[in-house]
Amino acid sequence: QKEVEQDPGPLSVPEGAIVSLNCTYSNSAFQYFMWYRQYSRKGPELLMYTYSSGNKEDGRFTAQVDKSSKYISLFIRDSQPSDSATYLCAMSLLYGNNRLAFGKGNQVVVIP
Amino acid sequence: EAGVAQSPRYKIIEKRQSVAFWCNPISGHATLYWYQQILGQGPKLLIQFQNNGVVDDSQLPKDRFSAERLKGVDSTLKIQPAKLEDSAVYLCASSLGGLAGPGNNEQFFGPGTRLTVL
Repeated sequence: QKEVEQDPGPLSVPEGAIVSLNCTYSNSAFQYFMWYRQYSRKGPELLMYTYSSGNKEDGRFTAQVDKSSKYISLFIRDSQPSDSATYLCAMSLLYGNNRLAFGKGNQVVVIP
Repeated sequence: EAGVAQSPRYKIIEKRQSVAFWCNPISGHATLYWYQQILGQGPKLLIQFQNNGVVDDSQLPKDRFSAERLKGVDSTLKIQPAKLEDSAVYLCASSLGGLAGPGNNEQFFGPGTRLTVL
C-alpha cells in the first residue's frame, strides 16, 4: 500500500464551479499536511499547509483534514482559469526528517 | 528574493550515457533536496542534504545515481549510466532547516530539469 493515495484522474470544470480534491494516507505518523500547486513546466509551489484536524481557509481555498479517517481534502471555490494546474497533496512527520511524501497529483482544467 | 535555480532546463541523451544536473538553492537555506518526478506521478525524494552532509538517501539508486554538495551551497546530481526509466523531471528544492515542523519546513522548488533518455 502506498503511503499517500491520490486518484490522478484529470478534472475539467466550468469557471465558477467548486473543485474538490482529496487524498488518503496510510502512515498515522504523518501530522503535517500540505497542498502544492504545479503549473506546466514549473516546480511545485506550496499552496496551503495544516497540522491539525479540521478546516483551514485561505481566500477561495479550504484545506480539510480528518486524521481519524486518514483523509485530506482541498476545495477551490469560484474556480478561475488561472487555477488550471496540477494539485499535489504532500505529507510529512511533524518532527524529525523533513521528507515529503507526495500523491500523484490531479490535473485541474477550469474552462472559461 | 531569488528562487531555486536549476540547469539545464532540458536534456536529451541516449541510454548508457552520463548526465549531470546543477542546483543553486535559495541563499541561506541549509537543506537541499533532489526529487525525481516521473510523468503522471508525484515527486519522489532521491536525496536530502543538511549543509554538506547527507541526511536521507534511502531512495537513491546508488549504483547509477550520485549527488554532492561540497561547500554546503550548490549541488550536482549525476546519473551514470542512464536508463530509459530515468526519463523524468529532476526537481531541486531547498528549505531553511532540515527538520519537520512549521516555520522552517517549507520547501521551495526550482523549475526542474526535464531529462529524456532515448
